[in-house]
Amino acid sequence: AQSVSQHNHHVILSEAASLELGCNYSYGGTVNLFWYVQYPGQHLQLLLKYFSGDPLVKGIKGFEAEFIKSKFSFNLRKPSVQWSDTAEYFCAVSYNTDKLIFGTGTRLQVFP
Amino acid sequence: NAGVTQTPKFQVLKTGQSMTLQCAQDMNHEYMSWYRQDPGMGLRLIHYSVGAGITDQGEVPNGYNVSRSTTEDFPLRLLSAAPSQTSVYFCASTGGTAYEQYFGPGTRLTVT
Repeated sequence: AQSVSQHNHHVILSEAASLELGCNYSYGGTVNLFWYVQYPGQHLQLLLKYFSGDPLVKGIKGFEAEFIKSKFSFNLRKPSVQWSDTAEYFCAVSYNTDKLIFGTGTRLQVFP
Repeated sequence: NAGVTQTPKFQVLKTGQSMTLQCAQDMNHEYMSWYRQDPGMGLRLIHYSVGAGITDQGEVPNGYNVSRSTTEDFPLRLLSAAPSQTSVYFCASTGGTAYEQYFGPGTRLTVT
């Protein structure tokens, strides 16, 4: 079955630390990949997306993600996190349809 | 553009009561969907619609009904609320390249 795995459920970092959140999807074929962010009390917002071209995708607020097809992965990275990055992060995949499959989310807490 | 709007923001129901969660979008998107968000489970698809008059079940459809009489509106009905339906509900519509989903602000529902 199609699925998305996010390995880190809860990540705690200090400000200026580097961040990498893992995301793997279940099998190959043509995929579109997304990272969404949900700040406390708010709805989901798109952070970045990949649908073709350069596998290194840059998003808002200094985030980037790399699509590695051979590993079925789309890990999210940020070189230096800020307190304002405290949020829940969701990886999602669509197999060339409108239907999105979400991971279970990673809660990031950044302490000053 | 208001984007995706949802009402109400908060709702408390007693077991057995019925209610409708409203969702509307003004982006002329064909695809709309309803998710529920529960701690540790990410977003799970309840129902979706690929256009006016067409709806289909998602991952967790039991206890919920939907209809799509217009492109703009996609209400979610709880026929007989149960405590297991306590959750945060998000409506989304899909448009643009790569099937990007736009989320509404959510409805926090508590069933006692």
